[in-house]
Amino acid sequence: EAGVVQSPRYKIIEKKQPVAFWCNPISGHNTLYWYRQNLGQGPELLIRYENEEAVDDSQLPKDRFSAERLKGVDSTLKIQPAELGDSAVYLCASSLEVSGRKVNEQFFGPGTRLTVL
Amino acid sequence: QQQVKQSPQSLIVQKGGISIINCAYENTAFDYFPWYQQFPGKGPALLIAIRPDVSEKKEGRFTISFNKSAKQFSLHIMDSQPGDSATYFCAASRGRHRGSTLGRLYFGRGTQLTVWP
Repeated sequence: EAGVVQSPRYKIIEKKQPVAFWCNPISGHNTLYWYRQNLGQGPELLIRYENEEAVDDSQLPKDRFSAERLKGVDSTLKIQPAELGDSAVYLCASSLEVSGRKVNEQFFGPGTRLTVL
Repeated sequence: QQQVKQSPQSLIVQKGGISIINCAYENTAFDYFPWYQQFPGKGPALLIAIRPDVSEKKEGRFTISFNKSAKQFSLHIMDSQPGDSATYFCAASRGRHRGSTLGRLYFGRGTQLTVWP
C-alpha cells in the first residue's frame, strides 16, 4: 500500500515569492492534516480536513497561507508571499476516521523542506 | 505555550542499554498519548500509544509508563539497538469531535536518541 505522497521534497525560494506544496493521502483516508515542523521542534498542526471541509484551521496564518482539498482527496498548501520565518518542513498526514473509534492513527508523509532566502 | 514538555533533548545510550524519555502535560482533558519515531528525511511514524485507563503498555522492546496523577508518561526502550537511533516525539490529544480542535495532536519538542554499537 502506498503511503502519503508529498511533492516537492525540497524547495528553495526567495522571500516574497509564492510557493505551493502538494499532498496525496493514503487511498481511502478521509482526514488530511498539514503540519509545520521547525528545526529541532515537534510538528505543529496548521489545518485539518475531514473530507473536503476544513474543520480545524485555527493555527493557519490566513494572511499568507491558504489550503484546499478539492474532491476530498489530495490537497495543496500555499504560501504567498513567503517570509524568512517560513523555512521549515511541511508535513502532510492522513487518517481514516471511523465512527465510534475515539482516535485514529495518523500516517505522515516524508515532508517538503522549504528554505526561504 | 508548550502543551507537552519532553526531556531530555538528547540521549546517548550504549547498545543493549535502556533508553528512557519523559513527557509531562498539564491539560487533564488529554486522553490519548502516542509516541512517534522519526528518522532523518522521513515523516514521524507511530511507535506505540496509550490511553489513561491503563498505567503501562508494552509492545516488544518498547514500553509506555503512564502516571495519571502526576500527569507524566515515559517511553522505555529495552535492549536499545543502533537501529533505534532516531528522534522520538511524545504527543497528546483529547478525543475526537467533528468541527473542533478536539483530536489535534500536540507534540513535544523531541528527543534525539543515539545508540552506540
